[in-house]
Amino acid sequence: DVKVTQSSRYLVKRTGEKVFLECVQDMDHENMFWYRQDPGLGLRLIYFSYDVKMKEKGDIPEGYSVSREKKERFSLILESASTNQTSMYLCASIIGGAGSGEQYFGPGTRLTVT
Amino acid sequence: QQPVQSPQAVILREGEDAVINCSSSKALYSVHWYRQKHGEAPVFLMILLKGGEQKGHDKISASFNEKKQQSSLYLTASQLSYSGTYFCGTEFNGSSNTGKLIFGQGTTLQVKP
Repeated sequence: DVKVTQSSRYLVKRTGEKVFLECVQDMDHENMFWYRQDPGLGLRLIYFSYDVKMKEKGDIPEGYSVSREKKERFSLILESASTNQTSMYLCASIIGGAGSGEQYFGPGTRLTVT
Repeated sequence: QQPVQSPQAVILREGEDAVINCSSSKALYSVHWYRQKHGEAPVFLMILLKGGEQKGHDKISASFNEKKQQSSLYLTASQLSYSGTYFCGTEFNGSSNTGKLIFGQGTTLQVKP
């Protein structure tokens, strides 16, 4: 079974803290994605990576950065957490490029910034 | 460029049918459909590639009208297990070969006994 795991299911951080969300996939997938999910807004793409050390901005990259040092691991970093970053964060991976099929999602991290 | 889904929410009785639409303002290469149950990760249902195809398995099927840049998801004889939020994800013509999807805002489906 394809497995995408995320480091935490629930996380509570204070405003201004640096936050790391980790995602690991075990299927040797090329591409990995970070989304945030908010009610009524669906899944919005923050960043994605198509190879080790390669990244591209999604639709809402402001306030976030990412790191992909190894193929299986994709990290989302909130440099200075703010309350408007309280959300559900989902990581996903896919085997290859356009039309290649299913994105496999992790279970999500619900982040609360106080 | 986020695709627009309609309706936003629908409530059904078991055995009834539903249609969820996904419309884009940009030319589409493919449309993906996912279902997310409460507290769980989204799960892939199907992908439709440009060419105007229709797909289905069991009582869930979908169509892709390339000219209208629209896809529809059909749920027939709904079951309680169909409850959840349905998302369409779109790949645009000319987008980089990364599998990147832009998702709609979601349609919440509730099936009642």
